[in-house]
Amino acid sequence: EVQLVESGGGLVQPGGSLRLSCAASGFTFSSYWMNWVRQAPGKGLEWVANIKQDGGEKYYVDSVKGRFTISRDNAKNSLYLQMNSLRAEDTAVYYCARETRAYTYYYYYYYMDVWGKGTTVTVSS
Amino acid sequence: EIVLTQSPGTLSLSPGERVTLSCRASQSVSSSYLAWYQQKPGQAPRLLIYGASIRATGIPDRISGSGSGTDFTLTISRLEPEDFAVYYCQQFGSSPYTFGQGTKLEIK
Repeated sequence: EVQLVESGGGLVQPGGSLRLSCAASGFTFSSYWMNWVRQAPGKGLEWVANIKQDGGEKYYVDSVKGRFTISRDNAKNSLYLQMNSLRAEDTAVYYCARETRAYTYYYYYYYMDVWGKGTTVTVSS
Repeated sequence: EIVLTQSPGTLSLSPGERVTLSCRASQSVSSSYLAWYQQKPGQAPRLLIYGASIRATGIPDRISGSGSGTDFTLTISRLEPEDFAVYYCQQFGSSPYTFGQGTKLEIK
């Protein structure tokens, strides 16, 4: 079964750090771009960051640049998000998601087709 | 950054009705890079449509997508009870990837 399982969430004080993990199974992890997406309480989805198959390219939303670092360990089939200098506005459910880039009939199609159940991060004193 | 604006914010409808949801982009997005997701309370999003009009695996044919450039739509031809949820569009045309703010379908 194709699966993503996040862990590492919790309660942290403003300015603190947290490291999220995402364990992948049921597919060839090293063949896919991977993403973190978050959802603040009662709000919509916000893309946070993504990373290329070999870790050689990483992209971030402006609000987390310089504070969050996405990484991966293909030998362990795992994705990570190191979050530093946390703020109250980082409070959210964090999802990891597989990004598929399919090439069909001369077009590339991009989409997130596998999602974990999420892990909750609460930043509060 | 490409801003996606979804409308309406909330729709109150009855099972069996037809609904069309709108997603408008602040600049042109290739259809190949436009996806739709469904999210129910307490659950992760689920991919419905990619490439603006291609149904993901297991998605029933009452759900369809269309559009190009800056205007995209998701249509559900006959609402079933399980369709009442929040729907998001997302673009992959440029980084940062962005989502629309969502449209909530609620039972009338």
